[in-house]
Amino acid sequence: ILNVEQSPQSLHVQEGDSTNFTCSFPSSNFYALHWYRWETAKSPEALFVMTLNGDEKKKGRISATLNTKEGYSYLYIKGSQPEDSATYLCASSNTGNQFYFGTGTSLTVIP
Amino acid sequence: KAGVTQTPRYLIKTRGQQVTLSCSPISGHRSVSWYQQTPGQGLQFLFEYFSETQRNKGNFPGRFSGRQFSNSRSEMNVSTLELGDSALYLCASSLGLAGGSEQYFGPGTRLTVT
Repeated sequence: ILNVEQSPQSLHVQEGDSTNFTCSFPSSNFYALHWYRWETAKSPEALFVMTLNGDEKKKGRISATLNTKEGYSYLYIKGSQPEDSATYLCASSNTGNQFYFGTGTSLTVIP
Repeated sequence: KAGVTQTPRYLIKTRGQQVTLSCSPISGHRSVSWYQQTPGQGLQFLFEYFSETQRNKGNFPGRFSGRQFSNSRSEMNVSTLELGDSALYLCASSLGLAGGSEQYFGPGTRLTVT
């Protein structure tokens, strides 16, 4: 069983602040790292999929990096907005297409 | 194209009963995965079906079972319900390619066991 850990568990930031959270995962049998945003009363929405060490992905003000050698990924949000408030989940998948999710980081952006 | 749909959205059952949840994937997706989420827990993987075959299975008791039909729709069944089965059940569909294709989640079924 793969244990995916996310930190912090929750975060409150002021509008306009930049923030980042961490996802750590075991490197054994690793194939890809996935980030999702889960807003209240909605379905989790895929943000990024990364597979290679050193991968960086960006979508608007949100970006992510991947370090497969040490088993971690960072998600960055630049200039946080209230609409960024959500739970951010990461998941590691293996070659057999099995996903292991962390417990998420709950972000609240205060206007 | 239409997203992933799950029915029913809400369900209340009593202990000892059984329940069947349904998931219709995005057209063209052959993989359906099921997850359970309880307060304070991450998404716990139940199982994955690909082309009508269970391809992966999580660490849940045999009371949890599933199947997939030829049109890729999937059902999940829980027999002899326990209070601890109260949870949000999500399904996710994907192309199912090796290594982890992007998963698209449904809205979930909220199951309450009394």
